[in-house]
Amino acid sequence: NAGVMQNPRHLVRRRGQEARLRCSPMKGHSHVYWYRQLPEEGLKFMVYLQKENIIDESGMPKERFSAEFPKEGPSILRIQQVVRGDSAAYFCASSSGLAGHNEQFFGPGTRLTVL
Amino acid sequence: DQQVKQNSPSLSVQEGRISILNCDYTNSMFDYFLWYKKYPAEGPTFLISISSIKDKNEDGRFTVFLNKSAKHLSLHIVPSQPGDSAVYFCAASVYGNEKLTFGTGTRLTIIP
Repeated sequence: NAGVMQNPRHLVRRRGQEARLRCSPMKGHSHVYWYRQLPEEGLKFMVYLQKENIIDESGMPKERFSAEFPKEGPSILRIQQVVRGDSAAYFCASSSGLAGHNEQFFGPGTRLTVL
Repeated sequence: DQQVKQNSPSLSVQEGRISILNCDYTNSMFDYFLWYKKYPAEGPTFLISISSIKDKNEDGRFTVFLNKSAKHLSLHIVPSQPGDSAVYFCAASVYGNEKLTFGTGTRLTIIP
């Protein structure tokens, strides 16, 4: 399966713990995006990364959230000291990054539940 | 500020009939629009897109219409099939800015 892979699919954390969400883009894709979907809402952009670079983090909360896309390995979205309001579905998407508009292909999501 | 709006949270259509899903946007800088389909517990799946230089794009049973002056687009599915039952999201972007701005979705139910 050459699609976007995310793991874990489900993650349960207690308040104050850390959550790490991983995303492997489609083969040949070098651009990764993270979106968050709160219950009954649409997807909200969080961050856009290329290998080893954060291109746009305008949707990331200023505190506790960070993202990386290292030269080797998956992209990681890290949430420190989770709170109940962080409970949501987190989707990763990837694109080829070729010139012009690029279709983004989404992974199955990680559903984070904070107890 | 909701820049992309889908004002109908749900829509029910008889199998075989046409489904029309609507989307409005407020940001005149948007120049590329996409429709995604989402099943429960899965990620969104790309359906069809349209550039602002066009007013129509067709792919099989799916057609997207864009009315720039009204800042409105619609997705037509004909004929509707039971497998089309899902949540449909409209999304928009600006050339040179990769992030997508999504609407809140419309849940389409196809009645057999």
